[in-house]
Amino acid sequence: DTEVTQTPKHLVMGMTNKKSLKCEQHMGHRAMYWYKQKAKKPPELMFVYSYEKLSINESVPSRFSPECPNSSLLNLHLHALQPEDSALYLCASSQVDGGPGYTFGSGTRLTVV
Amino acid sequence: KNEVEQSPQNLTAQEGEFITINCSYSVGISALHWLQQHPGGGIVSLFMLSSGKKKHGRLIATINIQEKHSSLHITASHPRDSAVYICAVRYHQGAQKLVFGQGTRLTINP
Repeated sequence: DTEVTQTPKHLVMGMTNKKSLKCEQHMGHRAMYWYKQKAKKPPELMFVYSYEKLSINESVPSRFSPECPNSSLLNLHLHALQPEDSALYLCASSQVDGGPGYTFGSGTRLTVV
Repeated sequence: KNEVEQSPQNLTAQEGEFITINCSYSVGISALHWLQQHPGGGIVSLFMLSSGKKKHGRLIATINIQEKHSSLHITASHPRDSAVYICAVRYHQGAQKLVFGQGTRLTINP
């Protein structure tokens, strides 16, 4: 298995809703990432987990809450989002030392209404 | 100023043409990635380079560490190659964060 699987593919949520994005990989990668991508822009790093511990938080607002319950799963919990948070959210994984297997998922397209 | 510069920003060509996309970066790196993103889609990793040249099908990627420059070439281009191509670098061994270029939007007309 050489894929990063993200669910759901599309999500529409209201500003008072609570929702979660999920990411799963079975490549044995011990680093997992959340990126946010706005239209026609490159991805922006949000969080990095190494060995299931949060290692990088790029000053992301607390309405985004990451969680890494085990070495294969990464969640992003969403609460009280704003319309400007609408974007493509990408998960990625790699070896912890940044080896050749940096793999992206297909993303969740989030619309906040 | 972005630390990773790509050129051109937009490129339109006819099917069959040879395509070159360039990427320059400002300081020494550990590795450079070429990524592909189709409209509305996720990101596919095409190559990771730390030196030399790699080839996969009609795609060729080269890197010149001394000149801090990489190129992505597409031979016999096809409309399905139409996508955004993104260069991203990792600045040191073990670094997990990628620094992205702004992307090159490629359109191949039949």
